[in-house]
Amino acid sequence: GAGVSQTPSNKVTEKGKYVELRCDPISGHTALYWYRQSLGQGPEFLIYFQGTGAADDSGLPNDRFFAVRPEGSVSTLKIQRTERGDSAVYLCASSLGVSSTDTQYFGPGTRLTVL
Amino acid sequence: AQSVTQLGSHVSVSEGALVLLRCNYSSSVPPYLFWYVQYPNQGLQLLLKYTTGATLVKGINGFEAEFKKSETSFHLTKPSAHMSDAAEYFCAVTARGSQGNLIFGKGTKLSVKP
Repeated sequence: GAGVSQTPSNKVTEKGKYVELRCDPISGHTALYWYRQSLGQGPEFLIYFQGTGAADDSGLPNDRFFAVRPEGSVSTLKIQRTERGDSAVYLCASSLGVSSTDTQYFGPGTRLTVL
Repeated sequence: AQSVTQLGSHVSVSEGALVLLRCNYSSSVPPYLFWYVQYPNQGLQLLLKYTTGATLVKGINGFEAEFKKSETSFHLTKPSAHMSDAAEYFCAVTARGSQGNLIFGKGTKLSVKP
């Protein structure tokens, strides 16, 4: 079956621009997570959705970052006034349930490069 | 706060040799523990996880890990390495009763020599 997909796979932008990164979770999965993976590091949690609402956005680094999931399926991570330090791979994951034991299935990521 | 330490950013083994990737966690209460593998240009894939029950957990591709509470460890092993095991491996934890956001280690890149 279809896994988690993310578009675009690569995004190059200039400092100060606005970007949107899209995540299509596995159909029927309730929970959706965004992580950011910088070079040489493990993924770091950004935000978690349970259905349509952001249940935990404690990992967002600042107010330039925002994410939505309006219909409880597709999610979009939005970054305003991008900075070079935002360059990283942005990962999306989904899980069937909302328990901490549920397996998270990851997409291939979007590599963001801010010039 | 929880944290995960993976000893060795790079591990190299010969084909057929034992694979041992180390993971230690820091948490006041034993968390749930996971190992993920990342092949080049692919998403993270779950190898195995420990939640409750038997402390020796078997996963896919012949990997297994043992939860040792006294050592706060969850090391990943495979008796005989295969060339296809070359990848980056991440240990992760999540707090019991949490919404499941994972805390990852920095990863260990495994190379397998012929």
